Amino acid sequence: QQPVQSPQAVILREGEDAVINCSSSKALYSVHWYRQKHGEAPVFLMILLKGGEQKGHDKISASFNEKKQQSSLYLTASQLSYSGTYFCGTDPSGNQFYFGTGTSLTVIP
Amino acid sequence: DGGITQSPKYLFRKEGQNVTLSCEQNLNHDAMYWYRQDPGQGLRLIYYSQIVNDFQKGDIAEGYSVSREKKESFPLTVTSAQKNPTAFYLCASTDLERGGNTIYFGEGSWLTVV
Repeated sequence: QQPVQSPQAVILREGEDAVINCSSSKALYSVHWYRQKHGEAPVFLMILLKGGEQKGHDKISASFNEKKQQSSLYLTASQLSYSGTYFCGTDPSGNQFYFGTGTSLTVIP
Repeated sequence: DGGITQSPKYLFRKEGQNVTLSCEQNLNHDAMYWYRQDPGQGLRLIYYSQIVNDFQKGDIAEGYSVSREKKESFPLTVTSAQKNPTAFYLCASTDLERGGNTIYFGEGSWLTVV
């Protein structure tokens, strides 16, 4: 049930871009993206509900493929504040939520 | 302000003891969840509940128990049967009626076995 995330970790310099992927073996009802700082609760970034959907705000955006089995999170022109662990949350049936193993993102000056 | 309150923030447990983590929400959400997070790991589902007086096991329910006597409360008991309980525990809730909605998290509880 747990979605697969890649990469596991990435280190960027300020201003560089990154892509984080989230895949499921089954079509999903929705996919959520969260960012978590160490020892804190995950913070909601965005949710995608429709196949082929793309959305974003500021310099963080995400896509959901047509078959609703894969989502990607795009971080452009990264800032130091983007550092943290990113999780995708998937909802295979509309009432349960499973989270990926996380991607550790570190932005350095 | 609406939200989810978890307590305590930090808890120490002796070997063989049961401990209970509190989770209260005032968002009027039907669904509530408990997740466990180990250092450097993802969130794993322990139990979830979609309605009062009903709950289901997640992927790692062994050694844990829950109750859902009130809509706003979903306490988690870590029993002595849980052999490795040291972890960060997160409670969450969502509004199932509107479907695909945002999951709200509490601030988490750190449990350490001493």
